[in-house]
Amino acid sequence: EVQLVESGGGLVRPGGSLRLSCTASGFIFTDRYMDWVRQAPGQGPEWVARIRNKPNSYTTEYATSVKGRFTVSRDDSKNSIFLQMDSLRTEDTAIYYCARDLQVGNAFDVWGQGTMVTVSS
Amino acid sequence: DIQMTQSPSTLSASVGDRVTITCRASQTINTYLAWYQQKPGEAPKILIYKASTLQTGVPSRFSGSGSGTEFTFTISSLQPDDFATYYCQQYSTFPLTFGGGSKVDIK
Repeated sequence: EVQLVESGGGLVRPGGSLRLSCTASGFIFTDRYMDWVRQAPGQGPEWVARIRNKPNSYTTEYATSVKGRFTVSRDDSKNSIFLQMDSLRTEDTAIYYCARDLQVGNAFDVWGQGTMVTVSS
Repeated sequence: DIQMTQSPSTLSASVGDRVTITCRASQTINTYLAWYQQKPGEAPKILIYKASTLQTGVPSRFSGSGSGTEFTFTISSLQPDDFATYYCQQYSTFPLTFGGGSKVDIK
């Protein structure tokens, strides 16, 4: 079964840091690009970051709202991706989903269950 | 960034109704558009990609059309399991962006 499982969410103060993890199973992880997508309470999804695979030099893309504050990385030996979130703001409060790239386009065909990040004083 | 505008934001319908949602892009995106369904407490689920290609396992009552800047998503005969919120997403250009959503609820 294809599965993505996120972890690492929690409550953090504004200006603080948090590191999210996502572990994949059920497919050839090294073949796929992977993404983080977030959804604030009562809002639509917002794409956050993309990391490509080794043949594509692990290149990354970021949403304007997180560029310079968030860093996406992956460890193919652990079938995992990570999101290091620094200088957190209250507006970063959201459910963070790990998602798999569709492979025939930059849409998302598999999603995790999400992990909640709350930024509050 | 490419802005995606969906209408209507809310739609009340009955089982068996034909439902149509529109998505407009602020600049041309060819056919690089996906549609997702989301139910409360769940992650989004992809239904359609490349504007009109049905994802494997998705019922044929769902369809999509359009290109350039205007796109349409249709449910031919609404079923009880279809009451949910639907989102469009463009993947022509980074940053990838979603529409604001169209909630289909029970009339």
